[in-house]
Amino acid sequence: LAKTTQPISMDSYEGQEVNITCSHNNIATNDYITWYQQFPSQGPRFIIQGYKTKVTNEVASLFIPADRKSSTLSLPRVSLSDTAVYYCLVAFRGPASSYKLIFGSGTRLLVRP
Amino acid sequence: EAGVTQFPSHSVIEKGQTVTLRCDPISGHDNLYWYRRVMGKEIKFLLHFVKESKQDESGMPNNRFLAERTGGTYSTLKVQPAELEDSGVYFCASSILDTQYFGPGTRLTVL
Repeated sequence: LAKTTQPISMDSYEGQEVNITCSHNNIATNDYITWYQQFPSQGPRFIIQGYKTKVTNEVASLFIPADRKSSTLSLPRVSLSDTAVYYCLVAFRGPASSYKLIFGSGTRLLVRP
Repeated sequence: EAGVTQFPSHSVIEKGQTVTLRCDPISGHDNLYWYRRVMGKEIKFLLHFVKESKQDESGMPNNRFLAERTGGTYSTLKVQPAELEDSGVYFCASSILDTQYFGPGTRLTVL
């Protein structure tokens, strides 16, 4: 059964590093793992995407172990404006070359002053 | 460059009525996706277009839902007749390759 698992919520303080992990067994071997940020009443906003090892951009890093059964979004030095819900999006391969795009349940991050 | 746009932003209808949601993808994006989140649930994949063709519609809940993308540009998602359990937020996303960019969503309320 295709499934992703994320912590429901996390608390942090301004200036700290936050790591959010998504577990995803049976991920499609050729598909990317993508992370999104969502604020209330808005659509998910792209943060970062990766296939394996480590990817870094101006806002985050993404760590993917060799077995690709999980991925960790790392937000360096969070600020109050990073308070949001964070989702992973992965593809799971099914029968007859089908695949399903599965969103994680989302992690609600609260950044405190 | 304009992002993905969706119309309307909100829709309130009565059970049994018909509603049509529209999505305009980013120009040049051949891939278009529909998702929805019903209250308290996860965001669920509905279907995927590549240009005007349905690549995958395995997430469509039932035959009351009809998605079209004539000409491979904008897409519509029609719900007919709407039921109470169809209430939720419907998101559209588009992509060239693997990175999907989402619209703001349409909040549908069925009374």
